[in-house]
Amino acid sequence: QKEVEQNSGPLSVPEGAIASLNCTYSDRGSQSFFWYRQYSGKSPELIMFIYSNGDKEDGRFTAQLNKASQYVSLLIRDSQPSDSATYLCAVNWHSSASKIIFGSGTRLSIRP
Amino acid sequence: DTEVTQTPKHLVMGMTNKKSLKCEQHMGHRAMYWYKQKAKKPPELMFVYSYEKLSINESVPSRFSPECPNSSLLNLHLHALQPEDSALYLCASSLGSGDEQYFGPGTRLTVT
Repeated sequence: QKEVEQNSGPLSVPEGAIASLNCTYSDRGSQSFFWYRQYSGKSPELIMFIYSNGDKEDGRFTAQLNKASQYVSLLIRDSQPSDSATYLCAVNWHSSASKIIFGSGTRLSIRP
Repeated sequence: DTEVTQTPKHLVMGMTNKKSLKCEQHMGHRAMYWYKQKAKKPPELMFVYSYEKLSINESVPSRFSPECPNSSLLNLHLHALQPEDSALYLCASSLGSGDEQYFGPGTRLTVT
């Protein structure tokens, strides 16, 4: 079992719709969860982080965490073509707080 | 301000060369990281410095040598690299271990 799993996509969503990105993780002791956006040829950009169960909203983005199910998701409302990118889920490793493990990323495409 | 800077942006080096990558942040962050990213793969952790001390080395070959001269600077010294070391090298920093990490723009390294 991979430590952090994401559907590789591509996930195609019409402009203006909600994009839903999912991530599962294997380490029950993980405490910190991150979503990064990466455009082709660029570095990862932090867009959300969440530490507690429940929802966290920032503008058009909502992160959802369910530690019991070991599941974290990212919702993007009113999707724009500029949201087309690879989204990386990252989870800290409880045995080493400094270490975060990345999923392989989900490629999101917003079609006009 | 969440800026991490990296120089150079691009680097081409031969297998017998010695070169260095530089990373700088002025956010007062006490943890700094080096990652390697190959095309269509997530970033792979190489080294972690916490309070200017090396805390994690992910079994990286000795041809990569990290250095943290002060709390704002992180270097990666390169020597006798192989063509398979060609990748995007990313620096990141965080306030403390386990906190959200902010990435620099990366150095695109090509080994010929």
